[in-house]
Amino acid sequence: AAGVIQSPRHLIKEKRETATLKCYPIPRHDTVYWYQQGPGQDPQFLISFYEKMQSDKGSIPDRFSAQQFSDYHSELNMSSLELGDSALYFCASSFILSSQETQYFGPGTRLLVL
Amino acid sequence: AQKVTQAQTEISVVEKEDVTLDCVYETRDTTYYLFWYKQPPSGELVFLIRRNSFDEQNEISGRYSWNFQKSTSSFNFTITASQVVDSAVYFCALSIPYSGAGSYQLTFGKGTKLSVIP
Repeated sequence: AAGVIQSPRHLIKEKRETATLKCYPIPRHDTVYWYQQGPGQDPQFLISFYEKMQSDKGSIPDRFSAQQFSDYHSELNMSSLELGDSALYFCASSFILSSQETQYFGPGTRLLVL
Repeated sequence: AQKVTQAQTEISVVEKEDVTLDCVYETRDTTYYLFWYKQPPSGELVFLIRRNSFDEQNEISGRYSWNFQKSTSSFNFTITASQVVDSAVYFCALSIPYSGAGSYQLTFGKGTKLSVIP
């Protein structure tokens, strides 16, 4: 079965640089979520999109933005990167209208800011 | 606001022992979903189980079993005859289905790191 695809899997950036993370949800899933997991921490919700519209916002810094495109893939744009942005970034997708709404996670993008 | 507490930070067991991971949740909503995810050392988050608040039936899947008790707001996870491959961080999570919002964001517990020693 198809899973959530994230790219790149690893990314190294310098402080103040910009990064773009991509997420391709499971086919027919209508909702995409982004989470940030710092070292030794639990995943923290950043933002979500339902049918290409932003549906909820969590603890996402103003330096970050995201969108979902017509083909349902999503991108998380991170600007003015800081050392504290080093983390594992997960994308998850789900089918909200399903009676078995469950978020399935991608493998994550490991971002290191130097 | 929702909260998930996993009081056990780390657990070590010897292979073939049974182990129970505790999860206690807090929410004022009467409809909610509970989950368990596994995060092996490779880092991915693997979905294990989902439970609806209106379904207190316990579930068994192979060596895994889950005990959901609304009276104590607990959703505990037991691994029977543990194996080295069970070594991972296990997260309990909660989501609230907000009607029309199109988002069921997950609130995670801090996770329990399970080490199974051969």
